[in-house]
Amino acid sequence: AQTVTQSQPEMSVQEAETVTLSCTYDTSESDYYLFWYKQPPSRQMILVIRQEAYKQQNATENRFSVNFQKAAKSFSLKISDSQLGDAAMYFCAYRSTNNAGNMLTFGGGTRLMVKP
Amino acid sequence: GEEVAQTPKHLVRGEGQKAKLYCAPIKGHSYVFWYQQVLKNEFKFLISFQNENVFDETGMPKERFSAKCLPNSPCSLEIQATKLEDSAVYFCASSQSSGGHSEQFFGPGTRLTVL
Repeated sequence: AQTVTQSQPEMSVQEAETVTLSCTYDTSESDYYLFWYKQPPSRQMILVIRQEAYKQQNATENRFSVNFQKAAKSFSLKISDSQLGDAAMYFCAYRSTNNAGNMLTFGGGTRLMVKP
Repeated sequence: GEEVAQTPKHLVRGEGQKAKLYCAPIKGHSYVFWYQQVLKNEFKFLISFQNENVFDETGMPKERFSAKCLPNSPCSLEIQATKLEDSAVYFCASSQSSGGHSEQFFGPGTRLTVL
């Protein structure tokens, strides 16, 4: 079974600065998807960014980018120019690729606080 | 619809009572997932459906939990004889059948409180 670990329960960043959230995972599969989800206080789950394991290029979505290290099984999220609206829980998630019905396996989450 | 809808928003039950949660997936999505988020923020997968068929139920505590997705009806998750540890937010998600990269779209969740 796959496991996902987020070792930082809480992180804090100054507005306009950059912060990196860590995620490691364990799998014996060679192809899979990795995701970062944002969960604000409203509890709504919002997909931030997605990475396909067979792609070597790191995914980027505006201020959000990932550092995907397949050999190290590491998938960190970098938020640049942090904004107050980025304050939320962030969850790293893993999914096998072979079927759209495969479940997501989540890490324990990192609470990000943004200081004005 | 364009969003996953979940009802009710909040549900309060006494220990031992039944709880039933509903989910309407996005129109055209073939897969439905149920996840449980306990108060420590940990997510647990419960069950998934491909149309009305169970796809994966490895996360379901089968003694008290059951789920259905019937044609032309919202999907449902039912908990018989609720326990205190069932208190959690239950999320439903749906995805298209277009391949492994399909995004799972989440509903707003149902918060279940068992007293």
